[in-house]
Formats: sequence, structure tokens, C-alpha cells
Amino acid sequence: DAKTTQPNSMESNEEEPVHLPCNHSTISGTDYIHWYRQLPSQGPEYVIHGLTSNVNNRMASLAIAEDRKSSTLILHRATLRDAAVYYCIRKKGGGADGLTFGKGTHLIIQP
Amino acid sequence: ETGVTQSPTHLIKTRGQQVTLRCSSQSGHNTVSWYQQALGQGPQFIFQYYREEENGRGNFPPRFSGLQFPNYSSELNVNALELDDSALYLCASSGGPLMNTEAFFGQGTRLTVV
Repeated sequence: DAKTTQPNSMESNEEEPVHLPCNHSTISGTDYIHWYRQLPSQGPEYVIHGLTSNVNNRMASLAIAEDRKSSTLILHRATLRDAAVYYCIRKKGGGADGLTFGKGTHLIIQP
Repeated sequence: ETGVTQSPTHLIKTRGQQVTLRCSSQSGHNTVSWYQQALGQGPQFIFQYYREEENGRGNFPPRFSGLQFPNYSSELNVNALELDDSALYLCASSGGPLMNTEAFFGQGTRLTVV
């Protein structure tokens, strides 16, 4: 049970913003939202995580809905190197039960 | 460069054999976790070690076992290999056991069981 729902695939054009949605309608108050991505033939790479407030870092922005039942990962200007599988993960704060990956969203970037 | 290194990169074993995979965690990280990733699927959590003790485990049988050493490097051992054990095995390290911060993954070991 991945506990999150994501579209199987999305397509975007290079140099345009990309909004990757994630639904986590059963989230509890102590669950964090983590995003990882996995490029072909690589291990997963951390992108961003948050609890309640929107978060920004050098890679992306994370917008969390006010009711926390959904979130959106925003890549402000996609490049071909952003083509990857993006995983949205609900992670219990304080837990040692690892990251529960679903199948993620396969992001395709068109030149 | 994540700093997490795994060895070997590829391995072929016969059904029924035993295998040991190794992981060197990022400097300063005391927590390591292992994942199994079948083709076309997301990684599945096997277990986590913190300061040489297992402190979390996913839905994997006891023939999957591990060790963490004083320098925080780690091993994953799988006994009585089955064909379904063929997968990419990933190691991740982090700065604490609670996983509220980022985890750094290695490139993985591709295990093929024939």
C-alpha cells in the first residue's frame, strides 16, 4: 500500500514548468510528504519534502494543499535531465519503517 | 555525488545459493536502509539499521538479513536464493533513524538469480 496516488505518466516540453500531482487523502497529522526521483539506471534521488507549509529548494517547489490531502511538485523550468520517474511518498514522522514507494509518475520531457 | 557506494554492481547467482551485498554509507550517516526494486516497480523497503541494530523491517522473510558495522557500512545477506529475488538492491543512508530528512541512495547492485 503506497498510500499515495499519482498519474502513471506525464509529458512536458523543455523549458516549461511542470506540475506533478499527488493525492494522499488518508494522510495523518504527523506524516511528511517526500518526493524522490529516479533517473534511468540510477538509484533514487531526494528532491524535496514538507509537512504543512510550501517548501522551496534549488531543485523544485512543493505546494501542499491546506487540508494536506494532496500536494504538487513543481519543476519551474524543465530540462531534458529532469526526465525520470517521480515518487511521492508519505512518511510517518518519527518512524523507522522506511520509505514506501509506489509506481510513481514517469515524466517525459520533449525537446 | 551521493557518497553512498555499493558493491558489486552486478551479480549472477544460482537458485539456492547465498549472496552478500555491501554498502558504504555517506560520511557522518549512522543509519542505513536496504530496498529491493523489481523491474518496472518502485523500491520496496527491506530493513533499516541504526547504530548496528535493526530498528525497522518491511515485509520480507527472515532469509533476508543484514549487518551494520561500527563504521556504519552495511551488508545485506540473502539465503536460499529464489528466482524472484532477481532485482536491483538499493542501499540508502541518512543522518538519523527517523527518516524525516533526506536519504541518499547508492547506484544499486543488480542481482540475477538463475
